[in-house]
Amino acid sequence: AQKITQTQPGMFVQEKEAVTLDCTYDTSDPSYGLFWYKQPSSGEMIFLIYQGSYDQQNATEGRYSLNFQKARKSANLVISASQLGDSAMYFCAMREENSGGSNYKLTFGKGTLLTVNP
Amino acid sequence: DAGITQSPRHKVTETGTPVTLRCHQTENHRYMYWYRQDPGHGLRLIHYSYGVKDTDKGEVSDGYSVSRSKTEDFLLTLESATSSQTSVYFCAIRPGTGNYGYTFGSGTRLTVV
Repeated sequence: AQKITQTQPGMFVQEKEAVTLDCTYDTSDPSYGLFWYKQPSSGEMIFLIYQGSYDQQNATEGRYSLNFQKARKSANLVISASQLGDSAMYFCAMREENSGGSNYKLTFGKGTLLTVNP
Repeated sequence: DAGITQSPRHKVTETGTPVTLRCHQTENHRYMYWYRQDPGHGLRLIHYSYGVKDTDKGEVSDGYSVSRSKTEDFLLTLESATSSQTSVYFCAIRPGTGNYGYTFGSGTRLTVV
């Protein structure tokens, strides 16, 4: 079974609108972390936001927020006021922290390609 | 930003030849990882290291080996390259306490012909 599922291969959004990128995860570990990365066409991996499984509040970083619904095992990324420069591939990732020998490995989803239209 | 560099950035090699990719960090972090990125697959873990001479396999380790003789260097070797190993390879380091985002190198685009 996939540990990280991103069901939207591609998404389109108009400039200045908000967009939600979906991510669901599967783990039996009570302690885990969820990450979102951005990969523009230039190829580098850019860390956006982190949510810990015990965090009481949803994480926010500027225009990025993480809609964390623990019972539903979802960690959707919300980008507010989209900009042309937000066009990129977005990856959700998980780190399981209590599993024996996890060694803080990140498991990635397959990504969502976001296109922001002017 | 943690200093992490990958070399080479691009490489074309022939089937059956050995290839070594290098990941170098300047931050003295303990954990280092090698991923490959292929369309439709996201990033998949090849091997990782949790200290000097301490390494283990990831989910797609067949055909790859790694070595870490110094904290700063993590080498990925394709013993006999195959066309299925054509990919973009990323190295990553786990940050220290208080910083969450793993830092990735710029990637190595490897083409096996």
